[in-house]
Amino acid sequence: DIQLTQSPSFLSASVGDRVTITCRASQGISSYLAWYQQKPGKAPQLLIYAASTLQSGVPSRFTGSGSGTDFTLTISSLQPEDFATYYCQHLNNYPLTFGGGTKVEIK
Amino acid sequence: QVQLVESGGGVVQPGRSLRLSCAASGFTFSSSVMHWVRQAPGKGLEWVAVISYDGSEKYYADSVESRFTISRDNSKNTLYLQMNSLRVEDTAVYYCAKDRCSGCRHFDYWGQGTLVTVSS
Repeated sequence: DIQLTQSPSFLSASVGDRVTITCRASQGISSYLAWYQQKPGKAPQLLIYAASTLQSGVPSRFTGSGSGTDFTLTISSLQPEDFATYYCQHLNNYPLTFGGGTKVEIK
Repeated sequence: QVQLVESGGGVVQPGRSLRLSCAASGFTFSSSVMHWVRQAPGKGLEWVAVISYDGSEKYYADSVESRFTISRDNSKNTLYLQMNSLRVEDTAVYYCAKDRCSGCRHFDYWGQGTLVTVSS
């Protein structure tokens, strides 16, 4: 099974900050990666798929990049509604797996 | 609009069974690949199972293989998860999720989740 390691697991940032979250796969997965945002008590929401394609309706301040084993999610200017937990997920094959999550909190 | 509504969660003793349902509306359910994903309290996301649009193909996480069965009734627009031999570690919120496209293997719509608690 493919393992996904996210870092950091927690980060504290201010409104307006640029934030970068990393996801590393245990083997090459081409661009088969998605990112989700989850707020407390809510279901996750798809942000990005195919490593860099923005899901419809997602603000352009979210960008994804990477291929192979190393991927990043960047929020260009953190907004109050962006404080949440972020997960990566590989799409390569079954079983699908998620990273452990990155919780973004207000500094 | 797309709606996924899970039901069937509750408190159950270890070793017992439970069946979850997910009622779908607002899209062509019979053409959609569907998944179950779970989240233990305070923990991350874990993919559980997937079923093809016609039910002919199914895949499971190792942790539930041989104990859980995913199925669907396209005439009722409903997805199911039959959970047998439940363990304490199966305690989680269970979400049904729609695949963004056939073979996409990621989820563009999720239900609100239903909580399953396995405890004696």
